[in-house]
Amino acid sequence: QITLKESGPTLVKPTQTLTLTCTFSGFSLSTTGVGVGWIRQPPGKALEWLAIIYWNDDKSYSPSLKSRLTITKDTSKNHVVLTMTNMDPEDTATYYCVHRLNTNYFDYWGQGTLVTVSS
Amino acid sequence: DIVMTQSPDSLAVSLGERATINCKSSQSVLYSSNNKNYLAWYQQKPGQPPKLLIYWASTRESGVPDRFSGSGSGTDFNLIISNLQAEDVAVYYCQQHYSTPPMFGQGTKVEIK
Repeated sequence: QITLKESGPTLVKPTQTLTLTCTFSGFSLSTTGVGVGWIRQPPGKALEWLAIIYWNDDKSYSPSLKSRLTITKDTSKNHVVLTMTNMDPEDTATYYCVHRLNTNYFDYWGQGTLVTVSS
Repeated sequence: DIVMTQSPDSLAVSLGERATINCKSSQSVLYSSNNKNYLAWYQQKPGQPPKLLIYWASTRESGVPDRFSGSGSGTDFNLIISNLQAEDVAVYYCQQHYSTPPMFGQGTKVEIK
């Protein structure tokens, strides 16, 4: 059974760096074709894909946010970490961790974590 | 980036009737080498994460009721919910998985009339 769970701060101040951790189980991020990514959703708005890391350590980022994002993995701990620098109130959103296999549709999602950016 | 546009933004359908949601991509998501359309549909109920319903434009995810069906090819796709049930009230999103970044539509809210 595949599960993913997001953790991190619920409140960050503008200009701070956000660090989110996705802890997963039921699969290995060293298996060919597997990827773990991040998607966010501002309150009442649509889904926005942010980043993904693959089994072979390849990474992809949203072009509009690429300069602010870093995604890393710790395969032994079943963790994926997303950092986003220079947080702004417009980054207030629920951040989801997602699983993919072989192609980028997302078959498993974490419950999400709401991050509020406010001074 | 491939831009995804859904219509309508919202619709109200009577119980037991059919709901049809359209999704258009700014370029084709049909991969000629395998003849597959790289288009997925998700359902999101309030307070929950999205749930994958359909991928490859028409393949239902395991456990998804057969009243949900997907159709279309190239740049024009539909999600059809036949025999609408109360539990189908949700926002529905399309997403292309043809290229990076994997873009989502803006969502369509389905309500009961």
